[in-house]
Amino acid sequence: DIQMTQSPSSLSASVGDRVTITCRASQGIGNSLAWYQQKPGKRPKLLIYGASTFQSGDRSRFSGSGSGTDFTLTISSLQPEDVATYYCQKYNSVPLTFGGGTKVEI
Amino acid sequence: QVQLVQSGAEVKKPGSSVKVSCKASGGIFSNYLISWVRQAPGQGLEWMGEIIPISATTNHAQKFQGRLTITADGSTSTAYMELTSLRSEDTAVYYCARRLGYSYAMDVWGQGSTVTVSS
Repeated sequence: DIQMTQSPSSLSASVGDRVTITCRASQGIGNSLAWYQQKPGKRPKLLIYGASTFQSGDRSRFSGSGSGTDFTLTISSLQPEDVATYYCQKYNSVPLTFGGGTKVEI
Repeated sequence: QVQLVQSGAEVKKPGSSVKVSCKASGGIFSNYLISWVRQAPGQGLEWMGEIIPISATTNHAQKFQGRLTITADGSTSTAYMELTSLRSEDTAVYYCARRLGYSYAMDVWGQGSTVTVSS
């Protein structure tokens, strides 16, 4: 099975900082990579699919890039409402493995 | 707008079973894939398996083979996840989520169902 490795596992940054989260697949997955945002006590929310396509409403700060095995999620200017845990996930084939998550704090 | 509404919290004894439901409103239920994802307290997301209701085809994570049954009832637009031989490590929030097809991410999530396994 393909493993998904995220880094860092947690980070603390200031409001306005640029934040980058990386996700690495143990084998190539094309661009079948999604990013989810999960705020404390809430259900996950699809943020980006196809490695770089926005689901809705978050275009201004969030961007995704990469293909094959290496992917990144960037928050261009961190805001208080971005405090959450972010997960990557491969969805090209089962099992639909998630990365371990990156907890973003201010 | 599709919504997924899950059944309520459950408390179960070790060795017993739990069945969680996920009812869809809006859209064409039979054409989706419904995945089940769980999250143990303080832990990350773990994909368990999925079903495409139109064909009842299922896929499961190897970890849950033999303990997990995923079914769907198209007449009520409801998917079910049954986990047997429960142990304390199965204590988690269980989510259902929709995929539009095999090449899609999970775009709609249920609110989650808390399952607590305790003697």
